[in-house]
Amino acid sequence: SAVISQKPSRDICQRGTSLTIQCQVDSQVTMMFWYRQQPGQSLTLIATANQGSEATYESGFVIDKFPISRPNLTFSTLTVSNMSPEDSSIYLCSVVDGQGSAFGPGTRLTVT
Amino acid sequence: AQSVTQLGSHVSVSEGALVLLRCNYSSSVPPYLFWYVQYPNQGLQLLLKYTSAATLVKGINGFEAEFKKSETSFHLTKPSAHMSDAAEYFCAVSNFGNEKLTFGTGTRLTIIP
Repeated sequence: SAVISQKPSRDICQRGTSLTIQCQVDSQVTMMFWYRQQPGQSLTLIATANQGSEATYESGFVIDKFPISRPNLTFSTLTVSNMSPEDSSIYLCSVVDGQGSAFGPGTRLTVT
Repeated sequence: AQSVTQLGSHVSVSEGALVLLRCNYSSSVPPYLFWYVQYPNQGLQLLLKYTSAATLVKGINGFEAEFKKSETSFHLTKPSAHMSDAAEYFCAVSNFGNEKLTFGTGTRLTIIP
């Protein structure tokens, strides 16, 4: 199955700042997904990122807050903008491979 | 729209006892169903998936799940619990297996020595 890496693995940020999370996959994939897991909760899809087109955002998530880039078939970034403590979560990228959906190890973000 | 409901946010079983984690789904099209496990401070790992090939699906670590269309269920079982099974388990559904996942709220499994 696909091997996914994310950077950074964790970060502590001050409110009002922005953080860009990187996701690298070891194979070319059409769609990449970004999920958020708030403390003690399940995963919620933020957006779907296709190479060469604008990301598609789920209800409750907007591009100004979570801009996404997808420059090629193996890489994507998610930026969490103008952070507040409510953005403290684990952010995971995911791809669909022959086994199903594979997930990166996640980026644990704490906003103070 | 599709959704999954996991009954029981916390389940405790004794070591060696049967593990049963419940998942019911709702989908307007034939679903693809998944179980994922998340160990503390780790990412998600796929346990097993249902893709319409066989109703009884065997996964890793001795887990299996049975797809029951009449009951819209996909419950996860393991005959004998091990201490290492303590984790959070998530049921998820997608259409056609190549799209976004919709997750249930998760079940935290505790194993009693």
